Formats: sequence, structure tokens, C-alpha cells
Amino acid sequence: ETGVTQTPRHLVMGMTNKKSLKCEQHLGHNAMYWYKQSAKKPLELMFVYSLEERVENNSVPSRFSPECPNSSHLFLHLHTLQPEDSALYLCASSQSGTGVVDEQFFGPGTRLTVL
Amino acid sequence: AQKITQTQPGMFVQEKEAVTLDCTYDTSDQSYGLFWYKQPSSGEMIFLIYQGSYDEQNATEGRYSLNFQKARKSANLVISASQLGDSAMYFCAMREGHRGSTLGRLYFGRGTQLTVWP
Repeated sequence: ETGVTQTPRHLVMGMTNKKSLKCEQHLGHNAMYWYKQSAKKPLELMFVYSLEERVENNSVPSRFSPECPNSSHLFLHLHTLQPEDSALYLCASSQSGTGVVDEQFFGPGTRLTVL
Repeated sequence: AQKITQTQPGMFVQEKEAVTLDCTYDTSDQSYGLFWYKQPSSGEMIFLIYQGSYDEQNATEGRYSLNFQKARKSANLVISASQLGDSAMYFCAMREGHRGSTLGRLYFGRGTQLTVWP
């Protein structure tokens, strides 16, 4: 595998379900991100992890719970979601540090539908 | 106020022609970076080109070039010799602060849907 991978690619869940989104980066980066992309809204940053520590939580409801067990893996645990949480969830990674190229590389996303 | 403004919801261009996608930004930082991403219908965001605020030359990457006008705070993407495969959503984004020193704070615009017709 190369780049950033995400599973599953599509997910349909009820409001009472618990599910998890998985992201894996094969680029040796030290930072990972979760974004939410809803229709007709700009991409919204949800969480940032640097060296496995959460450094930013962008006022995201507690029904979204991130986990970063190591620098290559990032999870987004979902529980009791609302229909308005239906969106494309994108994971990204980057290499942070002085002088390095810092563009974010994105995965293909998980299309989530909450019924 | 919006950090990134893309005023063109949709653009159409004929194959082999050039097209310019507009982007203006708002920041009081002296050091910042500007990015363009392409998002095909498959959903993946593909990095295209980067321009640093202190870069004196406009960035170029193959058929992509960035028309950087610092005084006007604009960073338009120019795609030369359009191809059918260029049809996608294009996002302009900005990172405030020095390159590599700030984590994750990319501000995205709402995007421009580009359609290339034969």
C-alpha cells in the first residue's frame, strides 16, 4: 500500500450504532488529521495529531472520538450520530518540521450516511 | 471573515485551452503558504501546487502554475492545455505561519467545479 488509505470507503449506520473509521499512512509522516466535508460547506478540520498526541480539537461533538495509537494509524470512533453527520470524512497526513515540505496528503475518504 | 474565497462555483473550458481558477485569501501573517488541491468525483484530495509567501517566483508544476499577486492577496491557479481528466473540484487552501512549523491549520475555500469539454 502507498500513500494514505482509509477504510471503509462507504458506511451506512443508524443513529444508535457504534462504528469506527480507520486511516493508515505509509509515508512516514509525523502528523495526521481528520476532516469533514459536507455538501455546500468548506472542508472542516476536526482533529490534528502530532506524534500521536492530539494537538487540536476543533470544537467537535463528543460523539466523535479520535484515537491515534501510533504515527501511522488514526481512528475515528463514532457513536449515537445524527443525520447531519452524514458527510465525506477525509484523513490526511503531513510531515511537520522546519524546512520540510508540509503539504497534506489525503486519503480517498469514507462516505458516511447516518439514517 | 472567510480566510479563503473562491468566487467561481463552476467553470467550463474546452479541451486544450487554458483556464484560470480564482482564489483570494485573507491573513495578517507575513509568513504563509498557499495550496491548490484537486478532488475528482472519487473523493480523494490530490495536492497540485504550493506557493510560499516569500517565494519570489510563481510556482509551476507541469501544466499547473500559480499566479501569485501578494499585494492583491490572490493566488489563482492556471491550468494550461486542459484535458478531459482535469474535470474535478478544485480547492484553494492556506496555511498561516512558517512552512513546517504549524500543524494542520489549513483553511479551505468552497471550491470551483471545473468541467472540461471536448
